[in-house]
Amino acid sequence: GDSVTQMEGPVTLSEEAFLTINCTYTATGYPSLFWYVQYPGEGLQLLLKATKADDKGSNKGFEATYRKETTSFHLEKGSVQVSDSAVYFCALSDAGSARQLTFGSGTQLTVLP
Amino acid sequence: NAGVTQTPKFQVLKTGQSMTLQCAQDMNHEYMSWYRQDPGMGLRLIHYSVGAGITDQGEVPNGYNVSRSTTEDFPLRLLSAAPSQTSVYFCASSYGAGGIRTEAFFGQGTRLTVV
Repeated sequence: GDSVTQMEGPVTLSEEAFLTINCTYTATGYPSLFWYVQYPGEGLQLLLKATKADDKGSNKGFEATYRKETTSFHLEKGSVQVSDSAVYFCALSDAGSARQLTFGSGTQLTVLP
Repeated sequence: NAGVTQTPKFQVLKTGQSMTLQCAQDMNHEYMSWYRQDPGMGLRLIHYSVGAGITDQGEVPNGYNVSRSTTEDFPLRLLSAAPSQTSVYFCASSYGAGGIRTEAFFGQGTRLTVV
């Protein structure tokens, strides 16, 4: 079945540092890929998405590129801020499945001033 | 625009008690789902619905029931609460399944503790 593997956290960075959170996936079809963010005490919000190979999703300075050859969708940001502290989830949706999303385990990011 | 509304936000149950977690969406979405979030395990799908009157099991359905009598509402019932059901529960809705239409909108969550 489908699965998503994220780098284990927690990740602690200083403000303005470069961020990478690794995500790889296994899927039978051609999935869409998503990054969701969960701020403390809140539900999940969509951060960015990509629907086909080589697509780049971007939002709020975050980027991720859909790499079919390496089955990866790594999240990057060039300069993190304290306000980026949150839990980040990688997820996929298989076009052939009605079950919506398969999530990774989440990566806790803490950014220190 | 309310989006996805979950109630209650917090609940403490005794082992063996039953309760219903409410979820309502006002976006006319076809698809609704319930997930539970546990430390180190991400979100796991409990039950989902592809439309009114249609429900199906997800990854971890045991101990939970759902029904979908209207497009807007998708309640989750705990039949006989157990400590293993202590978790944070999220309801989500989307236009459809597969591809870009699966962008899901989440409620704020219900933090359930079973003692």
